[in-house]
Amino acid sequence: DSGVTQTPKHLITATGQRVTLRCSPRSGDLSVYWYQQSLDQGLQFLIQYYNGEERAKGNILERFSAQQFPDLHSELNLSSLELGDSALYFCASSVGERGNGYTFGSGTRLTVV
Amino acid sequence: GENVEQHPSTLSVQEGDSAVIKCTYSDSASNYFPWYKQELGKGPQLIIDIRSNVGEKKDQRIAVTLNKTAKHFSLHITETQPEDSAVYFCAASRAGNTGNQFYFGTGTSLTVIP
Repeated sequence: DSGVTQTPKHLITATGQRVTLRCSPRSGDLSVYWYQQSLDQGLQFLIQYYNGEERAKGNILERFSAQQFPDLHSELNLSSLELGDSALYFCASSVGERGNGYTFGSGTRLTVV
Repeated sequence: GENVEQHPSTLSVQEGDSAVIKCTYSDSASNYFPWYKQELGKGPQLIIDIRSNVGEKKDQRIAVTLNKTAKHFSLHITETQPEDSAVYFCAASRAGNTGNQFYFGTGTSLTVIP
C-alpha cells in the first residue's frame, strides 16, 4: 500500500457521461498530481495541485477539470466522455510543491463504452 | 517541452543476467530523473532516482547513471530475478515555479526468464 488512495478502482460508463475520480494523498503530502495512462500515449501529466491551488497544467482537455479540497483530497472530473478517454488514471502525491519522487496510487481504470 | 525517449520497449533476460534500459531527454534544464517500476494492476513505484549534480547512484542490485552532456541516463539491474519482471519507466523533470511535471518515457517491459 503506497498510502495514496484512489477510488473507484474500476469504472464503466457510456459516451457522453460525466464521472468523478477521487484521490486521497499520503498523510502529510500537500501536492497531488493526476496522470493519464493509455496504451498509445504512455503516462501523460494532466494537472498538479498544491495545498488547494493549481500549480501546473499539462495536456488536460477542456472537458476535464480537477480540484483539491481543504482536507487535501482531490477529484478529477471527466465530462462528455468519449471512447478515447478510456485509460488508467493515476493520482500521485508529494510533500512539497516541487516534489521529487512522488508516490503513485493504484489507479482508476475507466472504460467508456 | 521535454521529450523523453526510452529503449528498448521489450527486454528478455535470463535469471542472473544484467538488464540495461536507456533513456534520452531533450531539455538541458531537466534536473531530476526518477525510475519507476510498474507491476500488473498496480501504480508506478519509485525504485531509484538521480539528480543532475550526480553521475551515478547505486542501491543494491539497481544503479542509475547520468550523462548530462549527452543528455542520457540508464538503469542497470544486476543479478536479475523473476520478481524484477515488470514495466520500467524513466522520467525527467525540472522543478520550477510552475510546479513539477514529470515527462515519462514509453516504458520497457522486462521479462526475467527463470
